[in-house]
Amino acid sequence: AQTVTQSQPEMSVQEAETVTLSCTYDTSESDYYLFWYKQPPSRQMILVIRQEAYKQQNATENRFSVNFQKAAKSFSLKISDSQLGDAAMYFCAHMNRDDKIIFGKGTRLHILP
Amino acid sequence: KAGVTQTPRYLIKTRGQQVTLSCSPISGHRSVSWYQQTPGQGLQFLFEYFSETQRNKGNFPGRFSGRQFSNSRSEMNVSTLELGDSALYLCASSFFAGDQETQYFGPGTRLLVL
Repeated sequence: AQTVTQSQPEMSVQEAETVTLSCTYDTSESDYYLFWYKQPPSRQMILVIRQEAYKQQNATENRFSVNFQKAAKSFSLKISDSQLGDAAMYFCAHMNRDDKIIFGKGTRLHILP
Repeated sequence: KAGVTQTPRYLIKTRGQQVTLSCSPISGHRSVSWYQQTPGQGLQFLFEYFSETQRNKGNFPGRFSGRQFSNSRSEMNVSTLELGDSALYLCASSFFAGDQETQYFGPGTRLLVL
């Protein structure tokens, strides 16, 4: 069965520093998608990054990048130059092709000014 | 371009009642997905519709149903409400261009079942 594990319920980082949020998943499939979502307090969910398993190149979106280790089934999110607006709940998710998406429990990220 | 809209934003119902939630996607987006978010279970996928067809369904009982209209607007219905159905229901619309996906979420409908 698919599972997604985010082992860090909460994290804090100093403004302008870099932080890495970890995510591991389990699947028996070889073709799948991985996602990071951001849910700011009282604001709408945002899709931050999407990675296809067949692509070896790590996805990047401005200050957000991932470290995708397929063999280790690891998909961490790196946020560079952290800003106050990055404070949010971050969800990692996995989806086998043509299947339903499974979310992790989330990591609450605090940005310290 | 208008964002994803969900109505109503807040709703209070009692056990046994039914409820219908609405989601209007971004113009041009043909895919609509629904999610349930609760403190206990976290985020869970309900279903996805594309061009009026349900493409995928999560592990929810048959009391949860949905549909999509020809203008891509989607509704989800929950019949015989239970206390555990209290949640934030999120809708997202997606646009696919090749292997690229753009997805936007609505603000959600917060349902309280008493």
